[in-house]
Amino acid sequence: GAGVSQTPSNKVTEKGKYVELRCDPISGHTALYWYRQSLGQGPEFLIYFQGTGAADDSGLPNDRFFAVRPEGSVSTLKIQRTERGDSAVYLCASSLRGGQVYNEQFFGPGTRLTVL
Amino acid sequence: AQKVTQAQTEISVVEKEDVTLDCVYETRDTTYYLFWYKQPPSGELVFLIRRNSFDEQNEISGRYSWNFQKSTSSFNFTITASQVVDSAVYFCALSRNFGNEKLTFGTGTRLTIIP
Repeated sequence: GAGVSQTPSNKVTEKGKYVELRCDPISGHTALYWYRQSLGQGPEFLIYFQGTGAADDSGLPNDRFFAVRPEGSVSTLKIQRTERGDSAVYLCASSLRGGQVYNEQFFGPGTRLTVL
Repeated sequence: AQKVTQAQTEISVVEKEDVTLDCVYETRDTTYYLFWYKQPPSGELVFLIRRNSFDEQNEISGRYSWNFQKSTSSFNFTITASQVVDSAVYFCALSRNFGNEKLTFGTGTRLTIIP
């Protein structure tokens, strides 16, 4: 079946602009994660959704970052007033609903955001 | 807080040599999961292995093997008889021992296999 998809694959914007990054998880996966990977670094956790609600948003760097998942499937990461430091690859991952059993996170190809 | 350290930033070996990638972790949890992911030039993270902290047995999968030592908080990854296709960035990661927990990644080791 289809894996996690992310659009766009590349996004170039100017400093101060607003951007939206989209993630389509694997069908049936109720858990969805956003990570950010800066150049030469490992992915860093941003936010985790279980269904429609954000179960953990402790990784969001500041209030310019916001994410939604209104119907429990597709998620959109929104960044306001972009800064050059926001340039990174934004990764999305999804997994089956958890509980006491660990479920693998499957990663998408990422969106490369460049803020000029 | 959780932390993963991959001290080797870049490694280059000649094809068919064995290579070991080091991973040291820190956590206050008594139970946790450890992972290795591969990130080829295409950029997509590929899951390689998950290990529960309860299980300290080493694991072998083809040319890949993993050495988990709780006493030294290490989870090292060895590739035997390396191949050019093994060239990638490899990440070690850690999560709490609950379902759907976020991953804490190391900074990665860039492995280059020289033909």
